[in-house]
Amino acid sequence: AQSVTQLGSHVSVSEGALVLLRCNYSSSVPPYLFWYVQYPNQGLQLLLKYTTGATLVKGINGFEAEFKKSETSFHLTKPSAHMSDAAEYFCAVSDRGAQKLVFGQGTRLTINP
Amino acid sequence: NAGVTQTPKFQVLKTGQSMTLQCAQDMNHNSMYWYRQDPGMGLRLIYYSASEGTTDKGEVPNGYNVSRLNKREFSLRLESAAPSQTSVYFCASSEAPSGSGETQYFGPGTRLLVL
Repeated sequence: AQSVTQLGSHVSVSEGALVLLRCNYSSSVPPYLFWYVQYPNQGLQLLLKYTTGATLVKGINGFEAEFKKSETSFHLTKPSAHMSDAAEYFCAVSDRGAQKLVFGQGTRLTINP
Repeated sequence: NAGVTQTPKFQVLKTGQSMTLQCAQDMNHNSMYWYRQDPGMGLRLIYYSASEGTTDKGEVPNGYNVSRLNKREFSLRLESAAPSQTSVYFCASSEAPSGSGETQYFGPGTRLLVL
């Protein structure tokens, strides 16, 4: 069965620093890949997704992620962190033809002034 | 266009009580989902409905039942609540099942406390 691993349940960076949130999946066949963000006391909203084509995907709020098939990874990055980026981030994966998403455990991002 | 709405926002139950969580979407989506979110465990799928008239179990269905009332509405019922069901519940919808690359859109959540 598909599984998703997010390395680091908590990540803390300084304002203006690089943000790197790691996600690895288990399937050998490239799946569909998603990053969602959850702000406090809210539902999840899509940041970006990879379905096919270009492996570097750009999303909202300056985030991007790169699909690396050889590493079964889909890490999320942002060049310069902003205080408003403080939230919980979830990586999710869906096998092609499957009915559902499988979520990682989440990474809470804290931004230090 | 409200997207996905959930009621209630917050509920306190005593062990053994029953309740129904309501979810509705106005995006004409075919697929709907119920998740629970617990600290350190991400979101876990309880039940889903790939299309109107069908429902299927997810990862953690025990203690829950669902009804796809029509294309817009998908309810989750706890017949006899237990403290282990204390959680935040999210409803989501998508135009087609996730295996086609479709985005799921989430509601604001229902916080449930079972005493």
